[in-house]
Amino acid sequence: DGGITQSPKYLFRKEGQNVTLSCEQNLNHDAMYWYRQDPGQGLRLIYYSQIVNDFQKGDIAEGYSVSREKKESFPLTVTSAQKNPTAFYLCASSPWTSGNEQFFGPGTRLTVL
Amino acid sequence: AQTVTQSQPEMSVQEAETVTLSCTYDTSESDYYLFWYKQPPSRQMILVIRQEAYKQQNATENRFSVNFQKAAKSFSLKISDSQLGDAAMYFCAYGGSQGNLIFGKGTKLSVKP
Repeated sequence: DGGITQSPKYLFRKEGQNVTLSCEQNLNHDAMYWYRQDPGQGLRLIYYSQIVNDFQKGDIAEGYSVSREKKESFPLTVTSAQKNPTAFYLCASSPWTSGNEQFFGPGTRLTVL
Repeated sequence: AQTVTQSQPEMSVQEAETVTLSCTYDTSESDYYLFWYKQPPSRQMILVIRQEAYKQQNATENRFSVNFQKAAKSFSLKISDSQLGDAAMYFCAYGGSQGNLIFGKGTKLSVKP
């Protein structure tokens, strides 16, 4: 089945630790995205990538880092510099042409203890 | 910069009735796309409907239809014959030349039996 997978579903982190969220897609999509969702805030763009080995900052990139070494994979690292990392994180992908819908993964809930 | 505004944080509808969710946006672009996404309690984002700005005809998908007013920059979603399974968060999104989507803050729809 084609789709987007995110792991883990729930993640707990101690303050001061970096943590990496996984996102994999087998849809052969060029573009991939990371969003953060907080109550009442909608979805806010963290980073996006249009092609392998290239990515751009979104609206709230501070405290996050990404890599795009393979077309299928776009991991997100939440660093200790992110002041308020507890949130729901969504990964998405789309064919890289304007106007295409984005397909979303099931999300990862990150909680900082 | 483009913005998307959903002015109704919460809405309620009786089962089998019709409800309209509002969305306005701001852009200086002439070519763009608009989307409505649904997020049920499972938190999986699902595309409901898509509208190309160059098309005058309003998009429809079964019980879901939009009222697209380009001059007014308005993009409302009408749900007919509401069902219990329609209860969810609904997000309006704008897709422009950059390829990424800009989301509104969402409207929580409740369906009463």
